[in-house]
Amino acid sequence: NAGVTQTPKFQVLKTGQSMTLQCAQDMNHNSMYWYRQDPGMGLRLIYYSASEGTTDKGEVPNGYNVSRLNKREFSLRLESAAPSQTSVYFCASSESQGSPLHFGNGTRLTVT
Amino acid sequence: AQSVTQLGSHVSVSEGALVLLRCNYSSSVPPYLFWYVQYPNQGLQLLLKYTSAATLVKGINGFEAEFKKSETSFHLTKPSAHMSDAAEYFCAVSVDDYKLSFGAGTTVTVRA
Repeated sequence: NAGVTQTPKFQVLKTGQSMTLQCAQDMNHNSMYWYRQDPGMGLRLIYYSASEGTTDKGEVPNGYNVSRLNKREFSLRLESAAPSQTSVYFCASSESQGSPLHFGNGTRLTVT
Repeated sequence: AQSVTQLGSHVSVSEGALVLLRCNYSSSVPPYLFWYVQYPNQGLQLLLKYTSAATLVKGINGFEAEFKKSETSFHLTKPSAHMSDAAEYFCAVSVDDYKLSFGAGTTVTVRA
């Protein structure tokens, strides 16, 4: 089972460039999430989608947009990258509220 | 709003010694509580989950955690550390929505 698949694994951007991080899950989960991980700060929620057709802001949404393309796919877009967005980004999915999250292996993004 | 505090950003133990990782949460209602583990260059994996069925929860790889409502704690233990336990561990809590709040993480080093 693939679980949660994220692409790309690594990316380097220049300030002001845009890009989309892709995420797909094959577990038929209803909810999907985007987190960023920074040293000493744990994981912080950027956006989530409780179910297909809905998206909501998390703790740190500024500078990001998301699209829940269908039940399987949830993408994260950086319209104009900034050095403060250098981080490791994780996509996750869960069956429902309170269910454990299943994580992808992350995308390591560097903005110069 | 809920928050999670993990005491100690780094714990070093000898192989065969007790592993104790501390987690305290702030919540006005009984929460969902989780412990996740992250190995280098990987996503987070679920170790165990508290669901109110029992205060002592057993997880994978010999780990267990005890929920103490009076202390608002959910500490993680393993009686005998193994070299393969070297990783970063995260405590997480959700209350009544889809948002999971993570602690800052504790890195475990195991000495031979």
